[in-house]
Amino acid sequence: DAGVIQSPRHEVTEMGQEVTLRCKPISGHNSLFWYRQTMMRGLELLIYFNNNVPIDDSGMPEDRFSAKMPNASFSTLKIQPSEPRDSAVYFCASSPLGVNTEAFFGQGTRLTVV
Amino acid sequence: GIQVEQSPPDLILQEGANSTLRCNFSDSVNNLQWFHQNPWGQLINLFYIPSGTKQNGRLSATTVATERYSLLYISSSQTTDSGVYFCAGYRDDKIIFGKGTRLHILP
Repeated sequence: DAGVIQSPRHEVTEMGQEVTLRCKPISGHNSLFWYRQTMMRGLELLIYFNNNVPIDDSGMPEDRFSAKMPNASFSTLKIQPSEPRDSAVYFCASSPLGVNTEAFFGQGTRLTVV
Repeated sequence: GIQVEQSPPDLILQEGANSTLRCNFSDSVNNLQWFHQNPWGQLINLFYIPSGTKQNGRLSATTVATERYSLLYISSSQTTDSGVYFCAGYRDDKIIFGKGTRLHILP
């Protein structure tokens, strides 16, 4: 398996623009997680899905952020409108049998909002 | 919520040295995982270790769940071991990360 695949690897956008980050989990994994990493706050869980259903989105910072998982092999994280403070590395991870099983991370998307 | 403390926050060692990294939890966790974030930012799974001891080459980890801590041992360190080591605890459907230990191995 190719592992968790994220795209794009890097994104630079202007403030106010919509940004969409994409994730393909490992085939057969039924849990998917979105994380954000910054120097100030470290790794923060934004949202996770079990069997394509959002379970806990309490980490989503505000209404500008939304996440979807239309099927077992694809998820998106959207920021609209983007702001400079959204600049961070966004990681997607998947695990085979729910939250309490081993998680595998993608390579991340480095987002810069100018 | 659960607090995860990692120590030391920073560590500089000469190549070939051994090191021990520690992860303490303020409350019990169901599972625990160690990651290495390399200088390119990639998060690599090291150990998934809710309890007991596991070894993988020069690395080993021990989790004492009853005392709410885990240790990561790195022996004969190499420059490629440089990066940030994170532990993460699983509890109540949440994964809580520590702030990491930044390890720098000098050639």
